[in-house]
Amino acid sequence: QVQLRESGPGLVKPSETLSLTCTVSGGSINSYYWSWIRQPPGKGLEWIGYIYYSGSTNYNPSLKSRVTISVDTSKNQFSLKLTSVTAADTAVYYCARGYYDLGYWGQGTLVTVSS
Amino acid sequence: DIQMTQSPSSLSASVGDRVTITCRASQTISSFLNWYQQKPGKAPKLLISAASSLQGGVPSRFSGSGFGTEFTLTISSLQPEDFATYYCQQSYSSLSFGQGTKLEIK
Repeated sequence: QVQLRESGPGLVKPSETLSLTCTVSGGSINSYYWSWIRQPPGKGLEWIGYIYYSGSTNYNPSLKSRVTISVDTSKNQFSLKLTSVTAADTAVYYCARGYYDLGYWGQGTLVTVSS
Repeated sequence: DIQMTQSPSSLSASVGDRVTITCRASQTISSFLNWYQQKPGKAPKLLISAASSLQGGVPSRFSGSGFGTEFTLTISSLQPEDFATYYCQQSYSSLSFGQGTKLEIK
C-alpha cells in the first residue's frame, strides 16, 4: 500500500521560504506524477503544482512565480519550496500521487506563517 | 484557467435521502472530472474518477455522470458516514478544484 508523509517546519516567518518534503513508501516514485495541494483553514482545496518522476513540472499560474517542486528518486521523495510567504500561505499542505486523479494522499501538515 | 463551480455550496439532508451535487466547468473538460470526499481533519479521498468510474472500495450508492461542462455526483441513499464535504476536480488543463459542497445532517 502506497503511503505518503509530509515533513517540514510547521512555522515559517513572513517573507521567508516554506520548504516541505514528501516521502513515499510502499512503492516507487518512478513512473508517476506527484502533486502538492493546500487547504487554508476552513477553506477549499488549491492545487499548487505537480512533478513527473523524470523532473518535468507544471504549476498553478497564481503561484508559479514563487513555487519550485523537485524530485529525488534515489530517496523516493519530492519537495516543495514556496518563496516570499505571507499569512495567506497559512494552510494544511498535502502531497498526493497523481495528476489526472489523486488516488493517494499524505495526512497533511499545517504550516503557519507568522512572525 | 478552468473554473469549477459546485452547487449547492451546502446541503442538509437526512439518512436515506437521495442527494445530487452538481459541478460545472467554465469550458469543456471531456470526462476529466474526479470527485473527492473529505471529512474533518482528514485528507480528501478519491471516490470517482473520469466522471463515472467508481474507485475500489467505494460503496455503490455513490455514482457520477456527465461530460463536457456539467457533471453530477449522486448518493442514492445517504448513510451516516457520508456526511462530509465533497469536491470536484478537473484535470483536462492543469488541475483545479470546485469550492466544495458541505453535506450536513438535517
